[in-house]
Amino acid sequence: GAGVSQSPSNKVTEKGKDVELRCDPISGHTALYWYRQSLGQGLEFLIYFQGNSAPDKSGLPSDRFSAERTGGSVSTLTIQRTQQEDSAVYLCASSLTSIFSEQYFGPGTRLTVT
Amino acid sequence: AQSVTQPDIHITVSEGASLELRCNYSYGATPYLFWYVQSPGQGLQLLLKYFSGDTLVQGIKGFEAEFKRSQSSFNLRKPSVHWSDAAEYFCAVGLNQFYFGTGTSLTVIP
Repeated sequence: GAGVSQSPSNKVTEKGKDVELRCDPISGHTALYWYRQSLGQGLEFLIYFQGNSAPDKSGLPSDRFSAERTGGSVSTLTIQRTQQEDSAVYLCASSLTSIFSEQYFGPGTRLTVT
Repeated sequence: AQSVTQPDIHITVSEGASLELRCNYSYGATPYLFWYVQSPGQGLQLLLKYFSGDTLVQGIKGFEAEFKRSQSSFNLRKPSVHWSDAAEYFCAVGLNQFYFGTGTSLTVIP
């Protein structure tokens, strides 16, 4: 079956613009995760959804970042007033049930803020 | 603050030699513990995980890891490394949030 998909694969935006990143999890997976990977850095956890709710949003780097998930499926990560330090690869993952089950990662969205 | 430390950025071993990758964590409670592997050009793949029970966990590809609560460690081991094990290895912990270490790059010499 289909894996986790993310769109767009690449996004170049000007500083100050808003961007929206999309994640389609594996069908039937109830948990969904967003990460950020900057050049030379490890994976930085952003947020985790169980169903449509996020138990803890404190991983989001600033109030310019927001995420939502509707219908227990698709999720969007929105970055408002983008800054150059937001440039990174944004990875989405999903898992079948809880945070204890294996996460399957999407290919990522490479965001470049100029 | 919660964190995961992988002290070794890069390790080189000869094929057939044993391997141990270190992982230490800092977390308010005992979290779920994971090891993931990322082969070149591939996505992350789960090797093994631990939450409770036997502190020695067996995973795929002949890997095992041992949870030591007193040391807040979850080191990954393999008795005999194969050339195909060359990859990036990530330790991760989580409960309501999820934290990955910065990874250890493994090179295998034939």
